Amino acid sequence: GNSVTQMEGPVTLSEEAFLTINCTYTATGYPSLFWYVQYPGEGLQLLLKATKADDKGSNKGFEATYRKETTSFHLEKGSVQVSDSAVYFCALITGGFYGGATNKLIFGTGTLLAVQP
Amino acid sequence: KAGVTQTPRYLIKTRGQQVTLSCSPISGHRSVSWYQQTPGQGLQFLFEYFSETQRNKGNFPGRFSGRQFSNSRSEMNVSTLELGDSALYLCASSVPGQHYGYTFGSGTRLTVV
Repeated sequence: GNSVTQMEGPVTLSEEAFLTINCTYTATGYPSLFWYVQYPGEGLQLLLKATKADDKGSNKGFEATYRKETTSFHLEKGSVQVSDSAVYFCALITGGFYGGATNKLIFGTGTLLAVQP
Repeated sequence: KAGVTQTPRYLIKTRGQQVTLSCSPISGHRSVSWYQQTPGQGLQFLFEYFSETQRNKGNFPGRFSGRQFSNSRSEMNVSTLELGDSALYLCASSVPGQHYGYTFGSGTRLTVV
């Protein structure tokens, strides 16, 4: 079945350090891939997405490239800030453009990022 | 444009009771999904509704049910609450189709005592 695997946390970095959070997936068909972020006490916010191979999603300095050959969608940021401290979830969805029977998000377990000043 | 609104934000119930949670999607979004988030199981899909029809259901017991109204607002109901039902329940809305992603609400924190 479809699944997402992301690196275990927590990831602790100093401000301005480089961030990588690894994410790999298993899916039938051609999934769309997402990164969501959850701040304490909040719901999930869509951070970025990519809908086909070689697409690069980007937002707020974060980037991730859809790599079909390695089934990966690693999240990167060149210089993290204390305000980036949160839990990051990698997710995929399949189901076709008009929706379908499997049109649901499959999430990884989440990676806690703690950025220290 | 208003986001996804979930009510109530917090809820404390006793074992054996039932509970109803509400979700108002973003205007124009006709697809609404529900997820349960717990420390042990992570984020798990409950069900998805589109145009008042349940299109997909996760692996949860029949005590968990939902519905969607003609204005796309959705409710989920949990009957005969168990301690293990304590969780953050998240609602998400979307334009149908896998390319758009889902916009989540802030969730309802349910505590069963």
